[in-house]
Amino acid sequence: DTGVSQDPRHKITKRGQNVTFRCDPISEHNRLYWYRQTLGQGPEFLTYFQNEAQLEKSRLLSDRFSAERPKGSFSTLEIQRTEQGDSAMYLCASSSSGRIMNTEAFFGQGTRLTVV
Amino acid sequence: GEDVEQSLFLSVREGDSSVINCTYTDSSSTYLYWYKQEPGAGLQLLTYIFSNMDMKQDQRLTVLLNKKDKHLSLRIADTQTGDSAIYFCARRETDSWGKLQFGAGTQVVVTP
Repeated sequence: DTGVSQDPRHKITKRGQNVTFRCDPISEHNRLYWYRQTLGQGPEFLTYFQNEAQLEKSRLLSDRFSAERPKGSFSTLEIQRTEQGDSAMYLCASSSSGRIMNTEAFFGQGTRLTVV
Repeated sequence: GEDVEQSLFLSVREGDSSVINCTYTDSSSTYLYWYKQEPGAGLQLLTYIFSNMDMKQDQRLTVLLNKKDKHLSLRIADTQTGDSAIYFCARRETDSWGKLQFGAGTQVVVTP
């Protein structure tokens, strides 16, 4: 296992188009997170899954954004009708739940979206 | 994250110690983390500390937590050029497994 994998690494799209990103978490990690990072800022939480259930969503996740994790393994993040303000790095992370508190999240390398 | 603040930039000479500071406002922060991000890469977890601890040491890294002042610091001993990166402080509440709140990051530049 090589860690959290995200695809594509870069995406350029025209305003108004739909885009979809994929995240493959570390094997057997049951928790998966999506974050967005704009230039010069820290990552901002978007949403979180435990297995296939989406348990928390940020107010940042507008109606144009939807995330799924249908089988509790990989996840997709779709943005509909992209806007220039959606240009950012989209980061995925995963972690395992467990009885110990050592459940830190491991991040993928991100998908950089540019909306032109 | 406006509730987590960091200084934006730090310049340090190779071989010296670096100290990166972070303050947070929410006293319910139970877990505090330091992540490293190199250009074009994702975030790498460096270390973390629980709120019931004052200090944690891991090789060249020392984390100090002052709960009274809500102040967290990361000390890197014998700083190397490979330590040049952006360092993020983050907090998480006990029952919020999904949500890390990050600071804006401190860019550390190591000069020869």
